[in-house]
Amino acid sequence: AQKVTQAQTEISVVEKEDVTLDCVYETRDTTYYLFWYKQPPSGELVFLIRRNSFDEQNEISGRYSWNFQKSTSSFNFTITASQVVDSAVYFCALSESRDGDMRFGAGTRLTVKP
Amino acid sequence: DAGITQSPRHKVTETGTPVTLRCHQTENHRYMYWYRQDPGHGLRLIHYSYGVKDTDKGEVSDGYSVSRSKTEDFLLTLESATSSQTSVYFCAISDPDRGWNSPLHFGNGTRLTVT
Repeated sequence: AQKVTQAQTEISVVEKEDVTLDCVYETRDTTYYLFWYKQPPSGELVFLIRRNSFDEQNEISGRYSWNFQKSTSSFNFTITASQVVDSAVYFCALSESRDGDMRFGAGTRLTVKP
Repeated sequence: DAGITQSPRHKVTETGTPVTLRCHQTENHRYMYWYRQDPGHGLRLIHYSYGVKDTDKGEVSDGYSVSRSKTEDFLLTLESATSSQTSVYFCAISDPDRGWNSPLHFGNGTRLTVT
C-alpha cells in the first residue's frame, strides 16, 4: 500500500533562512508520481510540483527546489531565503495508479517569522 | 484558477441529520474527487468519480455516498451525520486525458461541523 510520511509536524524559521521539508514515501510500484501542494492560511490548496518515478533530476523554481532520491524513497522540498509569504502547510503526496488515487502526508506547518 | 465551486462553504448540522455537499466544475474534467482534511491526517480520499455515474470508494468511504449525474457536478452525502465527520471537505478535479496522474486542482473547501 502506498504511504507518505512527513515527520516534521511544524517548523519555525526566521526570514531569509533556508528550510527543508522532508517527505518519505512507500510504494511497491515502479511507476508512480510524487507531488507537493501548499496550503496558505487562507485555506486553498495550491499545486507546486509533480515528479514521476523515472525522473530523478532535481528541479529548481526560483527559491524552491526539490530533491528526489529513489534510493532513500525521499522527495524533499527546500525553500531558499524564506519569506513570510512562505508560511503555510505543505503536503507531499504520492499517486501510483491511473485513476489518480492520491495519498497525502499529514503535512508540515511552516512558519516564517520576520 | 480551475473553475471549481463548493457549496455550502460552511455548515453546522446536528448528529443524525442528512447532509449533502456539492461540487461544481466548469473545466469539463473527467475525474472528480472528495477529500476530507483533519489535523494529523492530511487529506484522505473519500470517494472519486471517473465519469458520469462511474464512482468508486476511497480510503475513508464509510458513512459517505456520492453521485454524479452530470460531468460538472459531484455530490457528497452524509446519510446520517456523526461528530466524527466534522471536518473540512475538499473537492478536486483532474484531467487524465492531459497526462497520467495530472495534478489535482482543489475547490476552496467546505467546513462541516456536526454537533
